Amino acid sequence: AQSVTQPDIHITVSEGASLELRCNYSYGATPYLFWYVQSPGQGLQLLLKYFSGDTLVQGIKGFEAEFKRSQSSFNLRKPSVQWSDAAEYFCAVVVNAGGTSYGKLTFGQGTILTVHP
Amino acid sequence: NAGVTQTPKFQVLKTGQSMTLQCAQDMNHEYMSWYRQDPGMGLRLIHYSVGAGITDQGEVPNGYNVSRSTTEDFPLRLLSAAPSQTSVYFCASSYSDRGNSPLHFGNGTRLTVT
Repeated sequence: AQSVTQPDIHITVSEGASLELRCNYSYGATPYLFWYVQSPGQGLQLLLKYFSGDTLVQGIKGFEAEFKRSQSSFNLRKPSVQWSDAAEYFCAVVVNAGGTSYGKLTFGQGTILTVHP
Repeated sequence: NAGVTQTPKFQVLKTGQSMTLQCAQDMNHEYMSWYRQDPGMGLRLIHYSVGAGITDQGEVPNGYNVSRSTTEDFPLRLLSAAPSQTSVYFCASSYSDRGNSPLHFGNGTRLTVT
């Protein structure tokens, strides 16, 4: 069965420090990959997505992510975290194959980011 | 644009009661879906629709009904609420269901069943 794993439930960083949130998936085919952010009491907002091409993708709010097929990973990075980045982050995957559909979109468990001033 | 609007924001039900969670979008999106979010489990798909008159089950459909009579609206019905349905519910929509257009989420409905 397809699955998405975010190994870190909770990460704490200092403001100005770099950040990497991990995401691993298990699929046979090339997936579409997404990172979403959820602020408290809010819905999810798309940070970035990977469909094909350049494996390093840029998103909003200064985030980037790199698709590594050999490691089945799509880690999210930011070089300098701001206090306003504190939120919960979700990785999501949908298989890119015939019949690709959001009906097959799978979310990871989420990583809560705390930022110390 | 209002985007995806969910009502109510909060709801408390007693076991066995029924209710409908409302979801409306004003972006003319064909794809709409309902997720539930539980701590440590991410978001799980309940039901989805690829257009008016067309619905299908997701990962956790039991205890929930949906219908899609218009493009704009996609209500979620709980026929007989159970404590296991205590959760935060999100509605999401997209231009297409093909996975290559972004999902737009509402702000959620927090449901407690006692």
